[in-house]
Amino acid sequence: AQSVTQPDIHITVSEGASLELRCNYSYGATPYLFWYVQSPGQGLQLLLKYFSGDTLVQGIKGFEAEFKRSQSSFNLRKPSVHWSDAAEYFCAVGGAGTASKLTFGTGTRLQVTL
Amino acid sequence: SQTIHQWPATLVQPVGSPLSLECTVEGTSNPNLYWYRQAAGRGLQLLFYSVGIGQISSEVPQNLSASRPQDRQFILSSKKLLLSDSGFYLCAWSGTSGSRGNEQFFGPGTRLTVL
Repeated sequence: AQSVTQPDIHITVSEGASLELRCNYSYGATPYLFWYVQSPGQGLQLLLKYFSGDTLVQGIKGFEAEFKRSQSSFNLRKPSVHWSDAAEYFCAVGGAGTASKLTFGTGTRLQVTL
Repeated sequence: SQTIHQWPATLVQPVGSPLSLECTVEGTSNPNLYWYRQAAGRGLQLLFYSVGIGQISSEVPQNLSASRPQDRQFILSSKKLLLSDSGFYLCAWSGTSGSRGNEQFFGPGTRLTVL
């Protein structure tokens, strides 16, 4: 069965500092990996995705993530955090197929201090 | 461009009352549709998904049901709500071909409180 672990429930960083959110996955085949962001009371917005190819993927809002197959990880990074980045971040894994289902982690809540 | 709508945005219902949440997608045809529930600190739990009209797959046995009466309409229902049905319900869609077949797009959600 597929699973996603986000070990950090809550992270606080200062504005302008770098950020790394951890994600580890378990999947029996080549995974499709996603990071989503959710502001309070809102739906989820896709930040970036990995399907194949270059293991370093760029997303919106200055985020990037690196797929490391040997570590089963897909960590999200941003060089300089802005106060507007405060939100909850979800990592998800899925596979190929007509009705591919995504399995989500429990999320990491990011707080940004000024 | 594609858009996804959910209503109502918020709902407060007594225990034992019925439920109907609606989700519609615009700008695409034959999407895969999904219902998720999000409880505090628990991430997203997939409840139902559908690959076509009248085709519903249930992921978790529970007090809820889903229907897809039209290609771009997905409804979540209950005959009698339980306190444990409270949560934030999210509808999502994905395409059915190519790389976008796996990327899911989410609606704004419905906050349900059962009292």
